[in-house]
Amino acid sequence: QQQVKQSPQSLIVQKGGISIINCAYENTAFDYFPWYQQFPGKGPALLIAIRPDVSEKKEGRFTISFNKSAKQFSLHIMDSQPGDSATYFCAASISSGANNLFFGTGTRLTVIP
Amino acid sequence: GAGVSQTPSNKVTEKGKYVELRCDPISGHTALYWYRQSLGQGPEFLIYFQGTGAADDSGLPNDRFFAVRPEGSVSTLKIQRTERGDSAVYLCASSLTRGGTEAFFGQGTRLTVV
Repeated sequence: QQQVKQSPQSLIVQKGGISIINCAYENTAFDYFPWYQQFPGKGPALLIAIRPDVSEKKEGRFTISFNKSAKQFSLHIMDSQPGDSATYFCAASISSGANNLFFGTGTRLTVIP
Repeated sequence: GAGVSQTPSNKVTEKGKYVELRCDPISGHTALYWYRQSLGQGPEFLIYFQGTGAADDSGLPNDRFFAVRPEGSVSTLKIQRTERGDSAVYLCASSLTRGGTEAFFGQGTRLTVV
């Protein structure tokens, strides 16, 4: 059973546009929600993370929106750039760090120049 | 500075053989994690070490999989009697401590069982 459901599977956005990736979870014990960016042949790299005590976190062009009651969270990439083209994974765990993270299935983002 | 290093980067082995995958974490990181990523999927947790001990091995799929970290630094993931279904990218990550700090992933070892 997939603990974290992610959509869409793939996304194509024009340069300068907004990329939005959505995730949903069931386990209310989760209290750490990171997003990872992965380029081909590389390991995942932590992009931004949020805890459920806040509804939004912004770092540069990247924003996480968190809806605790709906058990959903999303990643918004503003002013998307070709260099943002990568696979993005949402994840959830009961603690921060990388212990027993449950990952989504990933979203392949392509930003067209 | 040096990141998490995994060797080999690629490993092809025959079904039934034994393989060892190595992970060199970032110096000073006490927490180390192994994940497995199948094609088109997100990583799946295998095992977590805090120092030399396996603090959580709940993700190991069966007893053919075993991991050690004898001196609290380098870790080796060992797979016995490999099966074609074991083919995946095996990722290692490390963090300074267990909680509250970022974990850094290596580039992974791509294991192919033929």
